[in-house]
Amino acid sequence: ETGVTQTPRHLVMGMTNKKSLKCEQHLGHNAMYWYKQSAKKPLELMFVYSLEERVENNSVPSRFSPECPNSSHLFLHLHTLQPEDSALYLCASSQVVPNEQFFGPGTRLTVL
Amino acid sequence: KQEVTQIPAALSVPEGENLVLNCSFTDSAIYNLQWFRQDPGKGLTSLLLIQSSQREQTSGRLNASLDKSSGRSTLYIAASQPGDSATYLCAVLMGTGGGNKLTFGTGTQLKVEL
Repeated sequence: ETGVTQTPRHLVMGMTNKKSLKCEQHLGHNAMYWYKQSAKKPLELMFVYSLEERVENNSVPSRFSPECPNSSHLFLHLHTLQPEDSALYLCASSQVVPNEQFFGPGTRLTVL
Repeated sequence: KQEVTQIPAALSVPEGENLVLNCSFTDSAIYNLQWFRQDPGKGLTSLLLIQSSQREQTSGRLNASLDKSSGRSTLYIAASQPGDSATYLCAVLMGTGGGNKLTFGTGTQLKVEL
């Protein structure tokens, strides 16, 4: 595997389910990011982990919970989501400096 | 608050044309600017990164310029091909170190027709 990978690629879940999104980077980077992309809106940064420490939350609802166990892996734990949370969730990684971000293919999430 | 605008929102051109995509940002105190390509339902592919001290970057048929003082960047695509059809996103980075935030525009949807 090369670059940034994300699993699953597609996820359909009910509002009471708990699921997790996984991201893995194979680039030796030390920062990882979660973004949300909704239709007709710019990409929104959700979380930033730099050197495995969370440094940005961006007022994301607590039903989204990130986890970064090491510099290569990033998770987004989901619980009791709302239909408006349906979107493409993108993971990215970079070196802290210089900050050129590389993105994974995304997880298309549908909340019923 | 940084705001990024991309014009036009959509563009359709015949194959072989040279074209220019525009990006403007409100806060000129940026660290770098990145152009991405996104195919439908897919992730983002980084095309070009311009540091704030640079004026332009080139990769193959792509050339990106940056005028930081006026808050503008352009992406020039030479001799466009149907495979260039995608959404092109511009994003600016405000700081260095941890917690850096990329602010994205809403993109230009490009269609190159045969």
